[in-house]
Amino acid sequence: QVQLVESGGGVVQPGGSLRLSCAASGFTFSTYIMYWVRQAPGKGLEWVAVISYDGSNKYYADSVKGRITISRDNSKDTLYLQMNSLRTEDTAVYYCARDLSGWSDYWGQGTLVTVSS
Amino acid sequence: QSALTQPRSVSGSPGQSVTISCTGTSSDTGGYNFVSWYQQHPGKAPKVMIYDVTKRPSGVPERFSGSKSGNTASLTISGLQAEDEADYYCCSYAGSFTFGYVFGTGTKVTVL
Repeated sequence: QVQLVESGGGVVQPGGSLRLSCAASGFTFSTYIMYWVRQAPGKGLEWVAVISYDGSNKYYADSVKGRITISRDNSKDTLYLQMNSLRTEDTAVYYCARDLSGWSDYWGQGTLVTVSS
Repeated sequence: QSALTQPRSVSGSPGQSVTISCTGTSSDTGGYNFVSWYQQHPGKAPKVMIYDVTKRPSGVPERFSGSKSGNTASLTISGLQAEDEADYYCCSYAGSFTFGYVFGTGTKVTVL
């Protein structure tokens, strides 16, 4: 069955870096657009970044542009989110999800990133 | 990329119907028929309930339905059940992932 499993979250100081991973299984990863969505504690969902099938096209929310990079390794069925210059407002649960033309049928369980000194 | 506007909360008794609105602009909800709705229980990942404004994925109960008029999309839950108590988010997609996705502010549905 389809599974998306995020990892890599943790506590990091402001200005620090972290790389999240999302391991996919149960479907042909290389044929799906993938994206990251985050949710700050007690807040709503916020779309973060999206990447095309082959990784050649990437787009970001204005709030993370220039600090966060989405990438994928189709040989490993894995999606990544490299986060640099982290701010306290980046504290959130980060979910990966697969796209079906504007909506998602599968989400991971999420990984918590806490930015705090 | 401003969040779509949803009411903070709606409530109803078991068996009643509730409707959640999701208001955007002609650049998102009003311009495309790519509105989806997600249900989220505490501590859980979102689950899609409606996509492409009105379509229901297999396994989603028929009591969930979607519609749209102008810039406002709506999710209606008919015959409210206790397990429907959750947060609900709308999401708009502008037809191409190059424009990103925009979520609504979220609505807490309470079953009285």
